[in-house]
Amino acid sequence: RKEVEQDPGPFNVPEGATVAFNCTYSNSASQSFFWYRQDCRKEPKLLMSVYSSGNEDGRFTAQLNRASQYISLLIRDSKLSDSATYLCVVNRRGGSQGNLIFGKGTKLSVKP
Amino acid sequence: GAVVSQHPSRVICKSGTSVKIECRSLDFQATTMFWYRQFPKKSLMLMATSNEGSKATYEQGVEKDKFLINHASLTLSTLTVTSAHPEDSSFYICSADGLSETQYFGPGTRLLVL
Repeated sequence: RKEVEQDPGPFNVPEGATVAFNCTYSNSASQSFFWYRQDCRKEPKLLMSVYSSGNEDGRFTAQLNRASQYISLLIRDSKLSDSATYLCVVNRRGGSQGNLIFGKGTKLSVKP
Repeated sequence: GAVVSQHPSRVICKSGTSVKIECRSLDFQATTMFWYRQFPKKSLMLMATSNEGSKATYEQGVEKDKFLINHASLTLSTLTVTSAHPEDSSFYICSADGLSETQYFGPGTRLLVL
């Protein structure tokens, strides 16, 4: 089983749509979870951390289910500028910020 | 926010030559920097963890003699791809541990080995 698995995508949605991405991770000792976005031929940029209680940042909501080792990202009211690849990221070793493990990413394309 | 720079942004070299990539934290000190590689349509893969003043820790399958890492100061880590071959062509990205629980990524270096 891969350390971090994501929806294969791509997701093609119209502007204004709500879209959800899912991710599972295999290492139960992981303590830190993140969603990054990566634009074509660019470096990844942190979108948001994911906390056990769930957290929201504007149109973005992240959820974590430790029992199922499952992470999700919900984007409401999609904008054209949301088009990117979304990376689910987990740290390999509990308590350590280093050693991030990246999923392959899910590509989102928001159309007018 | 914290800024990490990489140089060069793109490099084309002949097979057999060595290429050095620099990673700098511009407005903060980073005791730990990370080097990643990303092939087209693939995940970012951690190559090595670079600690200031000590030897780098390489991930399984990454040849330490081929990918030389030097972290001589708190703001600079370098990755040298020695005797580069076409299969080393990739997108190399560094990151640095910031003060908060996050990593700051450099803009990446595209290496093309002919």
